[in-house]
Amino acid sequence: SQQGEEDPQALSIQEGENATMNCSYKTSINNLQWYRQNSGRGLVHLILIRSNEREKHSGRLRVTLDTSKKSSSLLITASRAADTASYFCATDGIIGYSTLTFGKGTMLLVSP
Amino acid sequence: NAGVTQTPKFQVLKTGQSMTLQCAQDMNHEYMSWYRQDPGMGLRLIHYSVGAGITDQGEVPNGYNVSRSTTEDFPLRLLSAAPSQTSVYFCASSLSPGVTQYFGPGTRLLVL
Repeated sequence: SQQGEEDPQALSIQEGENATMNCSYKTSINNLQWYRQNSGRGLVHLILIRSNEREKHSGRLRVTLDTSKKSSSLLITASRAADTASYFCATDGIIGYSTLTFGKGTMLLVSP
Repeated sequence: NAGVTQTPKFQVLKTGQSMTLQCAQDMNHEYMSWYRQDPGMGLRLIHYSVGAGITDQGEVPNGYNVSRSTTEDFPLRLLSAAPSQTSVYFCASSLSPGVTQYFGPGTRLLVL
């Protein structure tokens, strides 16, 4: 079963706008990660946030984590056409201690 | 470093045929995993390994075998291909539990 669930399933915005994606999960975690997948390619790690952290930044990315609500959000500011991709959250721990469980992803389309 | 490499990129099989998907990494990572990605399903874990000689099942292991004779290589064997195994397969590796996973480019498999 899927641990993380992203919302929305799809998001369409214009260049320059901000994009926000949400992830909810079901059980306790050690950390939560966000990955990006360009069409037809492998996944690329974006950011990891630990369970004792509430917010983390990396360039135009901002991730928040609310362990009481079992949810996380990924904000991409000033979106560019090159940000068009699918975004996945992944949580650790429910199958072994060295694997991740992925959600179904949010497809982001950024139009010029 | 080449990172995580996968071969072949594409493969077409007939029902009942067997094949091996190759995965290799040159980062000296102990942890390696195989995922399959189907439309609308996210990534699902097939098998994983925490080191040479040690493997374990993930969420969807039926129909697949793995072995880990070296740190670098983690092949995935399809014993008797079925149309339900049509998917994109990703191999990933990581240095230690719960941290960034590095993904290969994927193998697209079509079973007729």
